[in-house]
Amino acid sequence: ETGVTQTPRHLVMGMTNKKSLKCEQHLGHNAMYWYKQSAKKPLELMFVYNFKEQTENNSVPSRFSPECPNSSHLFLHLHTLQPEDSALYLCASSQVEWTLYGYTFGSGTRLTVV
Amino acid sequence: AQKITQTQPGMFVQEKEAVTLDCTYDTSDPSYGLFWYKQPSSGEMIFLIYQGSYDQQNATEGRYSLNFQKARKSANLVISASQLGDSAMYFCAMRANAGGTSYGKLTFGQGTILTVHP
Repeated sequence: ETGVTQTPRHLVMGMTNKKSLKCEQHLGHNAMYWYKQSAKKPLELMFVYNFKEQTENNSVPSRFSPECPNSSHLFLHLHTLQPEDSALYLCASSQVEWTLYGYTFGSGTRLTVV
Repeated sequence: AQKITQTQPGMFVQEKEAVTLDCTYDTSDPSYGLFWYKQPSSGEMIFLIYQGSYDQQNATEGRYSLNFQKARKSANLVISASQLGDSAMYFCAMRANAGGTSYGKLTFGQGTILTVHP
């Protein structure tokens, strides 16, 4: 148990479906992140939320829609995805305030778009 | 800007031998933290070890040690007595003070796939 819980662990969806990924942390962190990890590619930072406010969107297509209702929960809403969106989606959390500590990651959701 | 470089796409080691995974970094910030994560095939990112830029001694955590050479900007991970369960992807990462702001992001390297042979 890492302290960051992601559900579901695996997801298969069609290109016309709408689904959501959920991330939850109870570590008292106030920053949360979504990463995409495609096969044989580096980790790509998608979104950053600090104190529930989105502070970074790294040119992510609008078919990915994040939501952060509170500091403990983060969602990634998916709609009309493409096969190239198949990847491992990792959620992480940390403290926003300057600290040398790193991030705590969830176990990821392995997404397959068919 | 911060940058992490891992030049070894793949490494092989015999069980019970030691292995060193290379990591070099670049930052202009005097205060930063260096991290190593392990990612098994299951996908989870597991924190292994941390080194602060002002730490005088190299960090150690069980079979993991970090060979920190500040002048050369390198932070190599040494795994002693390799085990079959050490086979995984390993990421080096850095978090810096971002020029004095609060939002120092974690920057990752490309990763190294380690395979431990019996």
